[in-house]
Amino acid sequence: GEDVEQSLFLSVREGDSSVINCTYTDSSSTYLYWYKQEPGAGLQLLTYIFSNMDMKQDQRLTVLLNKKDKHLSLRIADTQTGDSAIYFCAERNYGGATNKLIFGTGTLLAVQP
Amino acid sequence: EPEVTQTPSHQVTQMGQEVILRCVPISNHLYFYWYRQILGQKVEFLVSFYNNEISEKSEIFDDQFSVERPDGSNFTLKIRSTKLEDSAMYFCASSERRDRGYGYTFGSGTRLTVV
Repeated sequence: GEDVEQSLFLSVREGDSSVINCTYTDSSSTYLYWYKQEPGAGLQLLTYIFSNMDMKQDQRLTVLLNKKDKHLSLRIADTQTGDSAIYFCAERNYGGATNKLIFGTGTLLAVQP
Repeated sequence: EPEVTQTPSHQVTQMGQEVILRCVPISNHLYFYWYRQILGQKVEFLVSFYNNEISEKSEIFDDQFSVERPDGSNFTLKIRSTKLEDSAMYFCASSERRDRGYGYTFGSGTRLTVV
């Protein structure tokens, strides 16, 4: 079945770049998403990428997609303490019978001042 | 910015009791979802709902669970005869269309604690 995996924890210093990695198994995945969850809050959509793209940039966020290796990454430039949160990778198969999102385990990003 | 509202934010219930988790999706959205996140585990899909009926459900969503859109604005998840293992954060989400790429809008969640 479909599976999405992420590393559990990443610690960076304020001002550095953060790179959060994700791997997925469903080769028919069409949309891949990054969600952010702050303590006690819901899931906030940060960005998404369509599977026919290799890269997407949105201000401090850069998403890279390697379809061959089924690898997705989220780079946060100039990481701030406010970026401390759990980041979830998720995938969805557009156009198939299912509309559900498959989430990874989440990566806890800790930003040290 | 429109948001999905969930109430209550935290519910404590005794094992065996029934709970109803409430959600108000974004008003022009047509697809509604429930997900849950057991502490320390992945966010898991429970059910999707469209046109007043379940369009998809996971194997977790057994006869203990039901969903309803009782009045055109609320979307509820009922859990009958709660078990300890139902303790989790339950997220409601909605989307405007099935095939839009920008994902869903999630609510802040209801933390259900079964004691």
